[in-house]
Amino acid sequence: EAQVTQNPRYLITVTGKKLTVTCSQNMNHEYMSWYRQDPGLGLRQIYYSMNVEVTDKGDVPEGYKVSRKEKRNFPLILESPSPNQTSLYFCASSALYRDEKLFFGSGTQLSVL
Amino acid sequence: SQQGEEDPQALSIQEGENATMNCSYKTSINNLQWYRQNSGRGLVHLILIRSNEREKHSGRLRVTLDTSKKSSSLLITASRAADTASYFCATDATGANNLFFGTGTRLTVIP
Repeated sequence: EAQVTQNPRYLITVTGKKLTVTCSQNMNHEYMSWYRQDPGLGLRQIYYSMNVEVTDKGDVPEGYKVSRKEKRNFPLILESPSPNQTSLYFCASSALYRDEKLFFGSGTQLSVL
Repeated sequence: SQQGEEDPQALSIQEGENATMNCSYKTSINNLQWYRQNSGRGLVHLILIRSNEREKHSGRLRVTLDTSKKSSSLLITASRAADTASYFCATDATGANNLFFGTGTRLTVIP
């Protein structure tokens, strides 16, 4: 089944404790992206990747890192999480960037205490 | 911001009625997409309309695009309780490398 898999689904952590949210897609998609969703603000893009080893900042990249060493994986790293990074996170992928629909993961609800 | 703005923010209708949601945006676009999100879950793509298209249909969905007014509408006909969800427009702006999502319309269909 074609899908984008995110883990974990829920995560509670404390300020400053490094964490990684994993994202994997099995559709051989070139484009992958991370979004955060906050009430009243909609979805905002954090980082995106057009292909392996090619990543770029989205609208809200501060406090996040990503890497794209393999086509299927696009982990989101929070080196030193802070409470303002408490949010619902989504990974998404598409075959190409333009004129292509995005496939979304099920989301990761992160709480930073 | 290039972000789309949906209107209304929330909409409540009876089952069987039609639901119309609107999206306005600020810059020229290559395409506009509509997505659906069930409570806290991942978004699901509904329909994509290109800048040179004016109307598109998919089942009970009808999307229109007016590039002169920088606006789009999503019509869901003969709504069902299962249509209860949030609906987002996303714009692929000319010259940008990502999709910009609006803040969504929360649709409630009452059985």
